[in-house]
Amino acid sequence: GAVVSQHPSWVICKSGTSVKIECRSLDFQATTMFWYRQFPKQSLMLMATSNEGSKATYEQGVEKDKFLINHASLTLSTLTVTSAHPEDSSFYICSARVNGRGFYEQYFGPGTRLTVT
Amino acid sequence: EDKVVQSPLSLVVHEGDTVTLNCSYEVTNFRSLLWYKQEKKAPTFLFMLTSSGIEKKSGRLSSILDKKELFSILNITATQTGDSAVYLCAVEANNNAGNMLTFGGGTRLMVKP
Repeated sequence: GAVVSQHPSWVICKSGTSVKIECRSLDFQATTMFWYRQFPKQSLMLMATSNEGSKATYEQGVEKDKFLINHASLTLSTLTVTSAHPEDSSFYICSARVNGRGFYEQYFGPGTRLTVT
Repeated sequence: EDKVVQSPLSLVVHEGDTVTLNCSYEVTNFRSLLWYKQEKKAPTFLFMLTSSGIEKKSGRLSSILDKKELFSILNITATQTGDSAVYLCAVEANNNAGNMLTFGGGTRLMVKP
């Protein structure tokens, strides 16, 4: 149980286009989902906290107009990278928290590799 | 498709216990395996393993990779309540799309006083 999927697992797009990445909790409901990005030297950065039915909470320095997050249902959050540029190329990982639980009950997706050419 | 599976899903132990977390993988063109600890904001990097049989150690944490059997373990000795976290394993591989990183779902460790 407690599986989180991401789609696509990898995507290549041209500079200036938009890309949508989906994060789904397959067998549990998640009011809260998180989006992370990997930076060099293996560090992961929290980009935003996605809340079902309300606006996402973005971390400092993350452009909310560039990284659009929509959490339309209790099992799906999407991250859209708008007007992508090569510097947006990275791994994007999501996680989902089981409703009503703390950080302990958090499950991670496998990640999505975005390459912008 | 590359796959990373962590076990157990959850673990509850008492302070002082030793725990072993498992990560098995099926990937094409393996490059490295990474361990992270997730507590609050974002996972923090613990270890990167590339060679079989060589143990990486940091304090009470250690990890080893078996490239023949396609798995890694993360050991924590003399656990403390501060070790309570989600431990993530990720595998870096190289395929037609280039360099890929695939995460396991995590193991939730709770250490009780």
